[in-house]
Amino acid sequence: GESVGLHLPTLSVQEGDNSIINCAYSNSASDYFIWYKQESGKGPQFIIDIRSNMDKRQGQRVTVLLNKTVKHLSLQIAATQPGDSAVYFCAEKLTGNQFYFGTGTSLTVIP
Amino acid sequence: KAGVTQTPRYLIKTRGQQVTLSCSPISGHRSVSWYQQTPGQGLQFLFEYFSETQRNKGNFPGRFSGRQFSNSRSEMNVSTLELGDSALYLCASSNSVNREQYFGPGTRLTVT
Repeated sequence: GESVGLHLPTLSVQEGDNSIINCAYSNSASDYFIWYKQESGKGPQFIIDIRSNMDKRQGQRVTVLLNKTVKHLSLQIAATQPGDSAVYFCAEKLTGNQFYFGTGTSLTVIP
Repeated sequence: KAGVTQTPRYLIKTRGQQVTLSCSPISGHRSVSWYQQTPGQGLQFLFEYFSETQRNKGNFPGRFSGRQFSNSRSEMNVSTLELGDSALYLCASSNSVNREQYFGPGTRLTVT
């Protein structure tokens, strides 16, 4: 079946540094991707999305890069803050609003 | 605008029982998707409803079912509960395809 996998299950960064979270996907036909942040005890929170006709999209302190050649997504968080500590998921749209989620990366921000 | 709401937030059931979970999407959103989240399997897609019709279905047994009402509210039902059904059940709503999908806080189901 389709798979979306994260390269690093855990990531620790110093407060103020930039964070990069990576994600590989396998379905070259996927045309829409979402990054989510999930804090303990809460549902996933939408961060940013990107369509396959784009290579890069920027939000507030976050940037998503899409490399369709190698089927790779990354989420960059600028000036990481303690409140950014959470699990981050990439989600790949399969059909309709059916998404396949990666296993998640746990980001820990060290004060 | 109110977010996605789910009720109840916590539920404890016994093996063999059935359970119904409810989800109210963001106002105006017609697509509701359900996911199961467990530590071992992560987030897994259950099904998606759009305008009262099931549009997509994941690889879950027939014990898992759902429906959507004309006001876009959705329910999912799990019959003959098993211990392995213990999980966080999440619903997400969207107003279209290839648009933002927002999750609710989830219902934590524990089967004993």
